[in-house]
Amino acid sequence: EAQVTQNPRYLITVTGKKLTVTCSQNMNHEYMSWYRQDPGLGLRQIYYSMNVEVTDKGDVPEGYKVSRKEKRNFPLILESPSPNQTSLYFCASSPKGGRTKIGLFFGSGTQLSVL
Amino acid sequence: QQQVKQSPQSLIVQKGGISIINCAYENTAFDYFPWYQQFPGKGPALLIAIRPDVSEKKEGRFTISFNKSAKQFSLHIMDSQPGDSATYFCAASHSGEAGGTSYGKLTFGQGTILTVHP
Repeated sequence: EAQVTQNPRYLITVTGKKLTVTCSQNMNHEYMSWYRQDPGLGLRQIYYSMNVEVTDKGDVPEGYKVSRKEKRNFPLILESPSPNQTSLYFCASSPKGGRTKIGLFFGSGTQLSVL
Repeated sequence: QQQVKQSPQSLIVQKGGISIINCAYENTAFDYFPWYQQFPGKGPALLIAIRPDVSEKKEGRFTISFNKSAKQFSLHIMDSQPGDSATYFCAASHSGEAGGTSYGKLTFGQGTILTVHP
């Protein structure tokens, strides 16, 4: 089954404790991206990657890191989480040329709470 | 700054009614305008999309209306059903941006929570 898998689904942590949210896709997509969803703000892009070893900042990159060492994986790293990073996070992927009917494939989300 | 502004934030419609969600954008370089549908506990999924060379696109009960001069587009859901209850996001992208339309980089609106009462 074609899917984007995020782990964990729920995470509660404390300020300053490094964490990683994993994302993996099995569709051989070139493009992967991380978004955060906050009420009233919609989905805002954190980082994106157009291919292996190619990453770039989105609209809200502060406090986050990413890496793309393999095509299928795109982990999101919070090295020193703060309460303002409490949010619902989504990983998404798409093939090159994904502007057509394919669109972005989203994972099921990771609800992060930073105390 | 919010490049894509969406309204209303929430919408309640009776079964069989028409749901209308509006979006306005600022960047005239945008050349792809999709709508995403998100059910509780799930990630968003592509619902319908339009390019600016057409003024309307219809797929079943869902229609996008596009007004290039006004820089606005809207989603109409005809004969709304309780199963349509979800959060809807408009979005936009352009080919000239790094990681742009060819790859799927999207700028999203704020979202609209639609509730359809039986």
